[in-house]
Amino acid sequence: AQSVTQPDIHITVSEGASLELRCNYSYGATPYLFWYVQSPGQGLQLLLKYFSGDTLVQGIKGFEAEFKRSQSSFNLRKPSVHWSDAAEYFCALMDSNYQLIWGAGTKLIIKP
Amino acid sequence: GAVVSQHPSRVICKSGTSVKIECRSLDFQATTMFWYRQFPKQSLMLMATSNEGSKATYEQGVEKDKFLINHASLTLSTLTVTSAHPEDSSFYICSALGLAGHEQFFGPGTRLTVL
Repeated sequence: AQSVTQPDIHITVSEGASLELRCNYSYGATPYLFWYVQSPGQGLQLLLKYFSGDTLVQGIKGFEAEFKRSQSSFNLRKPSVHWSDAAEYFCALMDSNYQLIWGAGTKLIIKP
Repeated sequence: GAVVSQHPSRVICKSGTSVKIECRSLDFQATTMFWYRQFPKQSLMLMATSNEGSKATYEQGVEKDKFLINHASLTLSTLTVTSAHPEDSSFYICSALGLAGHEQFFGPGTRLTVL
């Protein structure tokens, strides 16, 4: 079955500390993978995407993600978080019908 | 490029009225658009896939007579919530499939509140 799992419902990180948000997927082929961010009451913003090629993907706002086929993972990282990074983060994969399969989301809380 | 707009961004209506939400791809043509619903503190739930010139495909459990979708042109899809009730209050988000078919481009969402 196709699925996306974000194991952490919420994560708390101190401002300036590094961040890693986990995303695991189940899919029969090489997936198209995405990370989105959503601030409260707002729409979605695409952070980065992976289609093929280099498994380390750079995105906006200093985020990066690494596709690891052997671990079925696509974890999102940032070396130093800012208070403005507090938001909900969603991992998703696109299936063969162009539909997105979503993770449950991870809420990022920043400690001052 | 690849900008999607939604209108209105926020709507408050009385129970029993119908509300139309528009989703437009501003700088590209989209044969396929998607409508999502998002409950507070939850992920997006796909409601239906809208294809230009044909009937929408609804996900299981979504009432097609309640949520009418029309994709009359390559740049416009509309979602009409008919006879809205308080339980229809939610955040509705549309997206348009890019020409390459690799990515969905999202609108900013519409907050519907039914009193």
